[in-house]
Amino acid sequence: QSVLTQPPSASGTLGQRVTISCSGSIVGGTFIYWYQQLPGRAPKLLIYRNDQRPSGVPDRFSGSTSGTSASLAISGLRSEDEAEYYCAGWHHSLSGQEVFGGGTKLTVL
Amino acid sequence: EVQLVQSGAEMKRPGTTVTISCSISGHTSGDYYIHWVQQAPGKGLEWVGLLDPEDGATIYAEKFQDRVTISVDSSTNTAYMEMSSLKSDDTAVYYCATGDQGDYGLARWGQGTRVTVSS
Repeated sequence: QSVLTQPPSASGTLGQRVTISCSGSIVGGTFIYWYQQLPGRAPKLLIYRNDQRPSGVPDRFSGSTSGTSASLAISGLRSEDEAEYYCAGWHHSLSGQEVFGGGTKLTVL
Repeated sequence: EVQLVQSGAEMKRPGTTVTISCSISGHTSGDYYIHWVQQAPGKGLEWVGLLDPEDGATIYAEKFQDRVTISVDSSTNTAYMEMSSLKSDDTAVYYCATGDQGDYGLARWGQGTRVTVSS
């Protein structure tokens, strides 16, 4: 069982706003990060420290946390957003290690 | 601009050892962590471990700590991940990534190295 739990799939239509959840006991006690992995490509950092965007990441992507849940929101959905999305965070109580959620496959209909 | 370039694909027999390299350019010395991440075919991301190039300190995921060694050659800015006693379950793409010191995000990624373990 993953320390961080994500729904295996999500979908939305072009232009729509979708959210992907990430829940776990470590959320709220550590920063959460979000990664986008396009098919056949290396992951890319999308959101860091819960809600910060690296330069170059469109403001259509936003992150938030509340209690033991984190969310990634994508507004103005585009076809190129179809990808796998992973949340991650540092698990301090396991002698320190990075943990990833199981990933959410986003389909753009 | 930071760039991470990994070594090429490897095919290994069970029980042997593989070493993957990651050439890092564009980083100011000592201001980052080096991470390694495993992705088995059709599966999600799994963190393997990290190294702090400033002092050589390492942290490994419990699953890998007995079989993995992460190191760095500071003279060539090249990181290495060595995995021993290979099993078919180790067949995966392995990514190196770097993140800023004091932060646990993986900000920059290599292109990945495919390791196939088969008899």
